[in-house]
Amino acid sequence: QVQLQQSGAELVKPGSSVKISCKASGYTFTSYDMHWIKQQPGNGLEWIGWIYPGNGNTKYNQKFNGKATLTADKSSSTAYMQLSSLTSEDSAVYFCARRKRGGFAYWGQGTLVTVSS
Amino acid sequence: DIQMTQSPASLSASLGETVTIECLASEDIYSNLAWYQQKPGKSPQLLIYYANSLNDGVPSRFSGSGSGTQYSLKINSLQSEDVSIYFCQQNYDSPWTFGGGTKLELK
Repeated sequence: QVQLQQSGAELVKPGSSVKISCKASGYTFTSYDMHWIKQQPGNGLEWIGWIYPGNGNTKYNQKFNGKATLTADKSSSTAYMQLSSLTSEDSAVYFCARRKRGGFAYWGQGTLVTVSS
Repeated sequence: DIQMTQSPASLSASLGETVTIECLASEDIYSNLAWYQQKPGKSPQLLIYYANSLNDGVPSRFSGSGSGTQYSLKINSLQSEDVSIYFCQQNYDSPWTFGGGTKLELK
């Protein structure tokens, strides 16, 4: 079965960067886009972008250009998202997700990023 | 960007009741609409895709309908486990966008 296992919670300082991971199993990692989605407390969901691990192609929500960088390691079936120049506005839960048919059918458990001095 | 407006923002209903949640897109999304259920501290779960197709394992009391810019999620015979937040999401054009969510509680 498809599983997406994300890395643990992070407490980081303003101005720093953080890299979170999403390890995929149960399917061919290189054949499906991996998406990343942000959820702030009490707020809705924002799509950040996707990466196609087969060739490394990426597409970003313009809002996250310069903030998020998506990469993937085919050898370990792991997708990564680096967030840079962190501010309090980046404090959120971040999900990786994979599409199936017309929606995000598979989700990681979420990674909480807290930006605080 | 396509804006997705959900209503109501919150809803209180009794067990066994039928509830409907609406989602309005700022432009035609040609039925490229998904619905998700999210329980506290959990990831969203896909309920409906392409506006009216039930995802695997989702109870048949959930149904979706709509076209163009107007869509709805209906829950028949409300159960206690349906207490959640529900989101709509358009898959028609990038950036994919979500509605603000509807919090469903028991009366």
